[in-house]
Amino acid sequence: EVQLVESGGGLVQPGGSLRLSCAASGFTFSSYWMSWVRQAPGKGLEWVANIKQDGSETYYVDSVKGRFTISRDNAKNSLYLQMSSLRLEETAVYYCARERGYRQFDCWGQGTLVTVSS
Amino acid sequence: DIQMTQSPSSLSASVGDRVTITCRASQGISNYLAWYQQKPGKVPKLLIYAASTLQSGVPSRFSGSGSGTDFTLTISSLQPEDVATYYCQGYNSAPPAITFGQGTRLEIK
Repeated sequence: EVQLVESGGGLVQPGGSLRLSCAASGFTFSSYWMSWVRQAPGKGLEWVANIKQDGSETYYVDSVKGRFTISRDNAKNSLYLQMSSLRLEETAVYYCARERGYRQFDCWGQGTLVTVSS
Repeated sequence: DIQMTQSPSSLSASVGDRVTITCRASQGISNYLAWYQQKPGKVPKLLIYAASTLQSGVPSRFSGSGSGTDFTLTISSLQPEDVATYYCQGYNSAPPAITFGQGTRLEIK
């Protein structure tokens, strides 16, 4: 069974840092682009970043460029999101998701909640 | 980056109705368009990709069409379990970016 399990969320102060992890199982992790998508409470979906199979290419939404870093460890079947200089408005559930050929997300984790608050 | 605009933002229809949701991209994205269904408290579920290809396991009452900038999601006969928020998602390669529409909340009359 294809499974994605996020961890690492929690409460962080504005300006603080947090590292999210996503453990993949049930498929060949190293064969897929992977993404992080977030959803603020009561709001819509927002793509955050993605990474190529071998980690050689990464892309970000403009609002997080320079503050967030996506990475992966194919030996550990794991995806990461290092977040720094966090802002109040970045309180959200953060999902990791598997990408397919038309950049669609066919598999999602359950999400991990990040709360930015003083 | 591309902008994806959905309409309407909310919709109320009766069981058995034909329902249409539209999505417009700010620039041409060929057929790099997907549709998702999200029920309250649940993870988004992929319905349609490549604008018109039904994801495995999705009921055939769901269909998608369009290319370039204008896209449509149609539910041929609305069922009670279709109550959800629907999102379109587009991809443009220059620069590489993925964008979601703002969502359409679908309710039963």
